[in-house]
Amino acid sequence: GAVVSQHPSWVICKSGTSVKIECRSLDFQATTMFWYRQFPKQSLMLMATSNEGSKATYEQGVEKDKFLINHASLTLSTLTVTSAHPEDSSFYICSARVVAPQETQYFGPGTRLLVL
Amino acid sequence: RKEVEQDPGPFNVPEGATVAFNCTYSNSASQSFFWYRQDCRKEPKLLMSVYSSGNEDGRFTAQLNRASQYISLLIRDSKLSDSATYLCVVRNTGGGNKLTFGTGTQLKVEL
Repeated sequence: GAVVSQHPSWVICKSGTSVKIECRSLDFQATTMFWYRQFPKQSLMLMATSNEGSKATYEQGVEKDKFLINHASLTLSTLTVTSAHPEDSSFYICSARVVAPQETQYFGPGTRLLVL
Repeated sequence: RKEVEQDPGPFNVPEGATVAFNCTYSNSASQSFFWYRQDCRKEPKLLMSVYSSGNEDGRFTAQLNRASQYISLLIRDSKLSDSATYLCVVRNTGGGNKLTFGTGTQLKVEL
């Protein structure tokens, strides 16, 4: 099946710093990628839809100036958590959308962020 | 009300048992339905799609009742390796084909 990678797999940072997470589709191109966040014992919550060559679409309640998304190529989307705070500590997961032969999302392995 | 609701469990069952998970969804316009499996600290992985006619994949059987907006997953002859969280997932074609995840049902299969 299709492979999606994320980097880094985990990061610990001080409050106030910015953290960039990369999501790559390794053997296919994806015009659409999705960014999710999962807090302990909760479901995955969609943060935004990342569209190659255009602005991301953010879900209600997600601050676009805090969570910067760039989808500069068909195989790479980045999520930057700006001025991270402890409440941003979470499991961030990306997925890449494939439409053929059928609509499917392939998930990356996730990035665990801990903000001290 | 959450768009996708599941009993969080945990379900503790002995090896070899049959276990059933239920899920309800609130958006009657939902078009596609899935069960995903998520292991601790890992990403979710697609277990199976769910079709109106019901479908089976080995020990796993999924059912969909559109009238009741209800989805089920049956696991027969459960194995230790089935221990995971099972996520009920719905896709609505309106609004960009986004996936909506339930909170998951935790399964622990024991010796």
